[in-house]
Amino acid sequence: AQKITQTQPGMFVQEKEAVTLDCTYDTSDPSYGLFWYKQPSSGEMIFLIYQGSYDQQNATEGRYSLNFQKARKSANLVISASQLGDSAMYFCAMGPGNAGNMLTFGGGTRLMVKP
Amino acid sequence: GAGVSQSPRYKVAKRGQDVALRCDPISGHVSLFWYQQALGQGPEFLTYFQNEAQLDKSGLPSDRFFAERPEGSVSTLKIQRTQQEDSAVYLCASSLRTANQPQHFGDGTRLSIL
Repeated sequence: AQKITQTQPGMFVQEKEAVTLDCTYDTSDPSYGLFWYKQPSSGEMIFLIYQGSYDQQNATEGRYSLNFQKARKSANLVISASQLGDSAMYFCAMGPGNAGNMLTFGGGTRLMVKP
Repeated sequence: GAGVSQSPRYKVAKRGQDVALRCDPISGHVSLFWYQQALGQGPEFLTYFQNEAQLDKSGLPSDRFFAERPEGSVSTLKIQRTQQEDSAVYLCASSLRTANQPQHFGDGTRLSIL
């Protein structure tokens, strides 16, 4: 079984500063993928970034980067230069390495960006 | 449009009624997933299709829940004899078949059972 833990229910960050959202996971699968999604108040789930368990380098997508520490089973999301539009719920998720990649989600972190 | 389309956006039903939720995935996406998201929680997996084949339905909470994708494109999630605990947002996602491809979500259907 796979499990995702997000220990920060809510976080504040000042506009233009960087913020790290924590995510730890547990799985016995040797191959897996880690995903981060953003869910604004409007409800849609927006894919942000992906990290494969065998990837040697941390994933980056624009202002988003993933701090992947495999031995510690953590996959923290770093958002640089926060913007007001970054205020939303953020979900960490993982999927198995095969093609039936159903996702297991964490409980989410609500990020609030202060002007 | 180019994204996953779900309808209706909102659905209110009386306890005991049957409801049907529709999902139109991204064209060419072989895999289709349904998730249930309770208020303030992360989505939870319900069922998974690869083309028209339902390969995993382990997340369906009871036999009142039924999903189909008869032609490998549009999918319908049906809930029979709805109960108040069925109130949630139902999210549909689609992806390419390749492992660890990101799933692209629709806006969801917010179901309220009175």
